[in-house]
Amino acid sequence: QVQLQQWGAGLLKPSETLSLTCAVYGGSFSGYHWSWIRQTPGKGLEWIGKINLGGSTNYNPSLKSRVTISVDTSKNKFSLKLSSVTAADTAVYYCARAEDIVVVEDATQQRGNWFDSWGQGTLVTVSS
Amino acid sequence: QSVLTQPPSASGTPGQRVTLSCSGDTSNVGGNTVNWYQQLPGTAPKLLIYANNQRPSGVPDRFSGSKSGTSASLAISGLQSEDEADYFCSTWDDRLNGPVFGGGTTLAVL
Repeated sequence: QVQLQQWGAGLLKPSETLSLTCAVYGGSFSGYHWSWIRQTPGKGLEWIGKINLGGSTNYNPSLKSRVTISVDTSKNKFSLKLSSVTAADTAVYYCARAEDIVVVEDATQQRGNWFDSWGQGTLVTVSS
Repeated sequence: QSVLTQPPSASGTPGQRVTLSCSGDTSNVGGNTVNWYQQLPGTAPKLLIYANNQRPSGVPDRFSGSKSGTSASLAISGLQSEDEADYFCSTWDDRLNGPVFGGGTTLAVL
C-alpha cells in the first residue's frame, strides 16, 4: 500500500519561493507520474504539474513560468518549487500519484489519467 | 472557474439513490475517461471511480459511474450518513494537456 508524506513551509511572504517535498513509501516509484495539485479555500482543485521517473515534466500553462518539479529517484522523493508567490497562491497543496494510460472506450482510444494516492496536504498561506 | 461543471450542492435521505452530474466538452469529458473523487472534511480527496466506471479496491459497489457524450454521472445508492462529503469529477483535457477538475458537489444526507 503506497503512502505519500509531504512537508514544507506553511507561511510565506509575497515574492518568496514555495518549496514542498513528497516522499513515497511502500510502493513502486516507477511506472507512474508524480503530481502536485492545489486546492483553494473556495474548494477548487487545480493541477500544477507532474514528473515521471525519467525527469520529464509537464506543467499547467497558467503556472509554468513559476513552477519547477524535480525528482530524486534514489530517495523516492519529488519536490515542488513555486517562485514569486502572491496571496493568490494561498491554498492546500497535495502531492499525488498519477496513473496515465490509454483506455479503449467504445472502440476509441481515450486518455485515462487519475490520482490514486494522495499526500496529506500542506496548507500554504502567503501573507505579508 | 472550473473547466468541468458540477452543481454546487445535492442532498438525499438515508437509503435513497442520488446522482451527481459533471459536464464538459469534446476536449475533455467527450474524448477522455472520467474519474470521481470523494473528499471528507479536512482530508485529501480519495479516488472513488476511475476510467468512467471502475471502482478501486475497497470502494463499495453502492458507488457507480457512467459517461455519455460530454457528460458524466456518479450514482450513489443506499445513501448513508458517511457519504456526506464533497465529490469532484476529473478528466484529461486535450487543450490544457493536463487533468482538469469540476468545482465539486457538496452532498448532504438529510
